[in-house]
Amino acid sequence: SAVISQKPSRDICQRGTSLTIQCQVDSQVTMMFWYRQQPGQSLTLIATANQGSEATYESGFVIDKFPISRPNLTFSTLTVSNMSPEDSSIYLCSVAGQGAHGYTFGSGTRLTVV
Amino acid sequence: AQKITQTQPGMFVQEKEAVTLDCTYDTSDPSYGLFWYKQPSSGEMIFLIYQGSYDQQNATEGRYSLNFQKARKSANLVISASQLGDSAMYFCAMREGPGRRALTFGSGTRLQVQP
Repeated sequence: SAVISQKPSRDICQRGTSLTIQCQVDSQVTMMFWYRQQPGQSLTLIATANQGSEATYESGFVIDKFPISRPNLTFSTLTVSNMSPEDSSIYLCSVAGQGAHGYTFGSGTRLTVV
Repeated sequence: AQKITQTQPGMFVQEKEAVTLDCTYDTSDPSYGLFWYKQPSSGEMIFLIYQGSYDQQNATEGRYSLNFQKARKSANLVISASQLGDSAMYFCAMREGPGRRALTFGSGTRLQVQP
């Protein structure tokens, strides 16, 4: 299974600012996924990022708020823009593999907006 | 409609006893995969066990087993010989269709193991 390094692990940010979260994978992967986990809730898919094409966003998530970059097959970033306290969540990246293997998650970014 | 349903927000179990966490799913795709993840308070997602829709036998991984009842669309996780370190959130998830697709998660069950 792939290994993902996600940074930062946590941050406290002022409202109105932006934070960029990075995920580095130790192998080349076609698809990367970004999830949000609001306090006490489950994981919700924000978008799917393919290398060389625009990310595909789920209903309720827009590119202006959560721009994603995928410059190569091992790296992706998610930016949380113009933050408000409602954006306080854990953000996780994930990569997919075949069958049982390869659905690896980054360690998560615990974001608090004040 | 919910794709993945976990009806137990919280569960308690005594140390060394077995516990079953419930999960039902809804899909019309004949090819799908079912996963269970553990999330301790640190927030990391730890893969526990996987069941493919075409797998004939129930999956087992150490103390974890998956009770797969395809006709009932249920995929319950059984943890045997519970340990204090098993206290965490547990999520059931599904991948619909073949290939590399995003997972859909249930709402989770918080398991607390008591000494």
